[in-house]
Amino acid sequence: ETGVTQSPTHLIKTRGQQVTLRCSSQSGHNTVSWYQQALGQGPQFIFQYYREEENGRGNFPPRFSGLQFPNYSSELNVNALELDDSALYLCATSRDRGSEQFFGPGTRLTVL
Amino acid sequence: DQQVKQNSPSLSVQEGRISILNCDYTNSMFDYFLWYKKYPAEGPTFLISISSIKDKNEDGRFTVFLNKSAKHLSLHIVPSQPGDSAVYFCAASGSRDSNYQLIWGAGTKLIIKP
Repeated sequence: ETGVTQSPTHLIKTRGQQVTLRCSSQSGHNTVSWYQQALGQGPQFIFQYYREEENGRGNFPPRFSGLQFPNYSSELNVNALELDDSALYLCATSRDRGSEQFFGPGTRLTVL
Repeated sequence: DQQVKQNSPSLSVQEGRISILNCDYTNSMFDYFLWYKKYPAEGPTFLISISSIKDKNEDGRFTVFLNKSAKHLSLHIVPSQPGDSAVYFCAASGSRDSNYQLIWGAGTKLIIKP
């Protein structure tokens, strides 16, 4: 199965700004998870949404927030950007909370 | 504190030979382990998984071995093919049902030489 898309592909922001990243869910998938992957590291879980409700959250501050829409597409919002927020942001969708996750190609965010 | 460690940043293997990728973990509560493969400019794709009640799981050319006493797992690819060149991540979670709460290693870049 394929079909998870993310936009934009790349993004450059400055410190203090706000950013919104988008993820389209694969057909039939009601669960989306967001990850942050810093350079040279593995992905870190940010949070998961299941049927429009937050279903779990990793160790990220409240300025990282999300939304899942009725069509199961999703947004990741980051406020008050910091230099350390520079990373690849991955979303992954699945048929259910415990099912195999299918990843999008990611959004590369650079904070200057 | 890295709970999942992949100590080899890269590995080079001759085509046709066996590739062995290693992963160590520190949290004895981990119950479910997965391997993902990632090509450049693409998201990770699921490769194979293993539950802690098993010590081996096989899928075609890919076999994962789990040694719970040593808190160590390994991925064997045999025979290695050029298309296997990618970054491989191991990941762990408390249970299969909460597999979204994955703790990931930093990855190992596998290079298959022709």
